[in-house]
Amino acid sequence: GNSVTQMEGPVTLSEEAFLTINCTYTATGYPSLFWYVQYPGEGLQLLLKATKADDKGSNKGFEATYRKETTSFHLEKGSVQVSDSAVYFCALSDYGQNFVFGPGTRLSVLP
Amino acid sequence: GAVVSQHPSWVICKSGTSVKIECRSLDFQATTMFWYRQFPKQSLMLMATSNEGSKATYEQGVEKDKFLINHASLTLSTLTVTSAHPEDSSFYICSARWGLATDTQYFGPGTRLTVL
Repeated sequence: GNSVTQMEGPVTLSEEAFLTINCTYTATGYPSLFWYVQYPGEGLQLLLKATKADDKGSNKGFEATYRKETTSFHLEKGSVQVSDSAVYFCALSDYGQNFVFGPGTRLSVLP
Repeated sequence: GAVVSQHPSWVICKSGTSVKIECRSLDFQATTMFWYRQFPKQSLMLMATSNEGSKATYEQGVEKDKFLINHASLTLSTLTVTSAHPEDSSFYICSARWGLATDTQYFGPGTRLTVL
């Protein structure tokens, strides 16, 4: 079945540091890929998505590229802020199917 | 974007009581709603999928008699935790979808249940 693997956290960075959170997936079809963010005490918010190979999703300075050859969808941001502290979930979904989430990576950004 | 609400946002109850959580799609008709459970510092686990007007489909290992799901209308689904126990304490998140494409699915803010 489909699965998503993320780098284990927590990740602690200083403000303005470069962020990479690795995500790889296993899927039988051609899924869409997503990054969701969960701030403390809140639900999930869609951060960005990509629906086909080589697509790049971007939002709020974050970006991720759908790499079919490496089955990866790594999340990057050039300069993180304290307000980016949250848990980030990589996820995939095939058309009409349920989401499969990775375990989540907790990011803490220190001032 | 589309809005999904949950009520209550948090609830504390005594062991043995039942708790109902509502999930509403505020600006679209949701043909399918999903219920997830999230343990502290863990990922989301899909509990069940419900389509309007039909019985919910539960994931393996989820007790259907304990977690009652009703999807009576295109904008409302409810999850009732019956005879709650401390091990049912968790963060419950619903999502609603109006089509089959993945970008038609939106998540609610979650409900934190604490059973004493």
